[in-house]
Amino acid sequence: GEDVEQSLFLSVREGDSSVINCTYTDSSSTYLYWYKQEPGAGLQLLTYIFSNMDMKQDQRLTVLLNKKDKHLSLRIADTQTGDSAIYFCAEDSGGYNKLIFGAGTRLAVHP
Amino acid sequence: DADVTQTPRNRITKTGKRIMLECSQTKGHDRMYWYRQDPGLGLRLIYYSFDVKDINKGEISDGYSVSRQAQAKFSLSLESAIPNQTALYFCATSSIDGYTFGSGTRLTVV
Repeated sequence: GEDVEQSLFLSVREGDSSVINCTYTDSSSTYLYWYKQEPGAGLQLLTYIFSNMDMKQDQRLTVLLNKKDKHLSLRIADTQTGDSAIYFCAEDSGGYNKLIFGAGTRLAVHP
Repeated sequence: DADVTQTPRNRITKTGKRIMLECSQTKGHDRMYWYRQDPGLGLRLIYYSFDVKDINKGEISDGYSVSRQAQAKFSLSLESAIPNQTALYFCATSSIDGYTFGSGTRLTVV
């Protein structure tokens, strides 16, 4: 079945880059997403990548996709305290059928 | 107004009570979903519906039921609530333009 895995915790120093990793099992995934959840809040779509792309950049965010290894990463450049949140990786098999989420990576940014 | 509205935002209920969580959308999307979020487990799919006549179980449907009253409305029921159903519940819709999530309903079963 479909499965998405992420490490649960990442701690970085303010100003450094953060890299959050995700692996997935469904090779038919069409879109892969990154969502952000701040404490007590709902889900905010950060970015997504189509499965035929290797990389997508959006300001401080860079998404890398290795389709052969089914590995997705999110790089946040110049990490700020406001980036502290839980980051969820999600895959969409077959195109807007349903999202399968990872457990979420809690990013802690310290001075 | 929000595109996807969940009511109530917060609810405390007793074990054994029946409770309904409601979701309505103004996106005009056919596809709607219910997820629950637990710490360390992410969001897990409870039920989803691709149109008014199509209802499908997700990975954790036991103890839950749903009703798709109209294209815009998708409600989730707990027939007899139990404490391990304490969680944050999200409704979502989707189309080819992507997914839209509600703000969540925080349910506590005591």
